[in-house]
Amino acid sequence: GESVGLHLPTLSVQEGDNSIINCAYSNSASDYFIWYKQESGKGPQFIIDIRSNMDKRQGQRVTVLLNKTVKHLSLQIAATQPGDSAVYFCAENIGGSYIPTFGRGTSLIVHP
Amino acid sequence: DAGITQSPRHKVTETGTPVTLRCHQTENHRYMYWYRQDPGHGLRLIHYSYGVKDTDKGEVSDGYSVSRSKTEDFLLTLESATSSQTSVYFCAISESDRRYEQYFGPGTRLTVT
Repeated sequence: GESVGLHLPTLSVQEGDNSIINCAYSNSASDYFIWYKQESGKGPQFIIDIRSNMDKRQGQRVTVLLNKTVKHLSLQIAATQPGDSAVYFCAENIGGSYIPTFGRGTSLIVHP
Repeated sequence: DAGITQSPRHKVTETGTPVTLRCHQTENHRYMYWYRQDPGHGLRLIHYSYGVKDTDKGEVSDGYSVSRSKTEDFLLTLESATSSQTSVYFCAISESDRRYEQYFGPGTRLTVT
């Protein structure tokens, strides 16, 4: 619940702004990445995924960018809304394994 | 939400008592997982299952056991609960052809006093 957000990096934005949430992954062999959203008191929810043979993927109001050179992912949320307030975290998967490694997450706070 | 339920949703128990958490799915997905989530940590895998009666250990399996006698149910048991097992526990499922994409249940908040 609420305790998920403690000790996490926090991004505060105004409603209507664009948000960029970053994630550094650890394993250069990872070939599949997923972004999850976790609202207070709920389980994580799948947002968008990207394979390592892509550098960009777009969904509804969200874009994920992948930079394999520096092992970095970003999630861009356009026109951020109060309902976007949540903890966002990335997960990486290494080919051949179906056990993802989850990052600690970033808490996004959207001010009306 | 995907058809995943967890029970109980909240539980307070005493140190040394056994506890069983239940995950039930209606999606007929092959893979099921148990995670714990603690402040300052990401989701950590406890155990997972890749079929009925097929289970394996995750990153933090000590003190936990699991069973899967039916596709739809995955049980997590704390044989003798300790205060360090106070946490929020999430069950997740995934299907064979998109097994990286996990769908999570609502969680169980367990407090061991």
